Amino acid sequence: AQKVTQAQTEISVVEKEDVTLDCVYETRDTTYYLFWYKQPPSGELVFLIRRNSFDEQNEISGRYSWNFQKSTSSFNFTITASQVVDSAVYFCALSVQETSGSRLTFGEGTQLTVNP
Amino acid sequence: EPEVTQTPSHQVTQMGQEVILRCVPISNHLYFYWYRQILGQKVEFLVSFYNNEISEKSEIFDDQFSVERPDGSNFTLKIRSTKLEDSAMYFCASSDSGADPLIFLHFGNGTRLTVT
Repeated sequence: AQKVTQAQTEISVVEKEDVTLDCVYETRDTTYYLFWYKQPPSGELVFLIRRNSFDEQNEISGRYSWNFQKSTSSFNFTITASQVVDSAVYFCALSVQETSGSRLTFGEGTQLTVNP
Repeated sequence: EPEVTQTPSHQVTQMGQEVILRCVPISNHLYFYWYRQILGQKVEFLVSFYNNEISEKSEIFDDQFSVERPDGSNFTLKIRSTKLEDSAMYFCASSDSGADPLIFLHFGNGTRLTVT
């Protein structure tokens, strides 16, 4: 069975601070994908990034960066110079290849509040 | 960019009533999914659908739920006799074929179901 843990339920920062959202996952599969989604107050799920288990290269996209470490089963997400518009719930998710159909297993989410 | 469309955005129904949530997946996609998010909680997998049949379902997806692809474009989730605890945001998703359909999953904006 797959499991995703986001230990930080809520984080509050002041604008321009850097913030890291933690994600720890559990799976026995060797082939899997990890995802981050943003859910703004309007409720939709916004895809941010996907990584496969064979690619441990860290990734940077603008103010966003991701640190994937298989040794610790972690896929952490850092926002540099946070902005008020970054305020949202952020979900980490995991998928493994199944024989038929596939499912995403989500973490509980981290509510990020960026204050002006 | 093509997108998954869900209607209505918000539906209110009385306990015990049947409700149908509608989704129009991306036109060339072959894998379809429903996910549920109870307010303030994580997103949970309900069901995946491929080749006109359910390929996987979670323990949440009991006999009260059914899915259907009634024509070439719509994908529906029916709840036969709604309960208060069915109140949630329901997300439809689709993905195209390939070795791993979860390589890129497209989510709709969700339908918020309120059962009174």
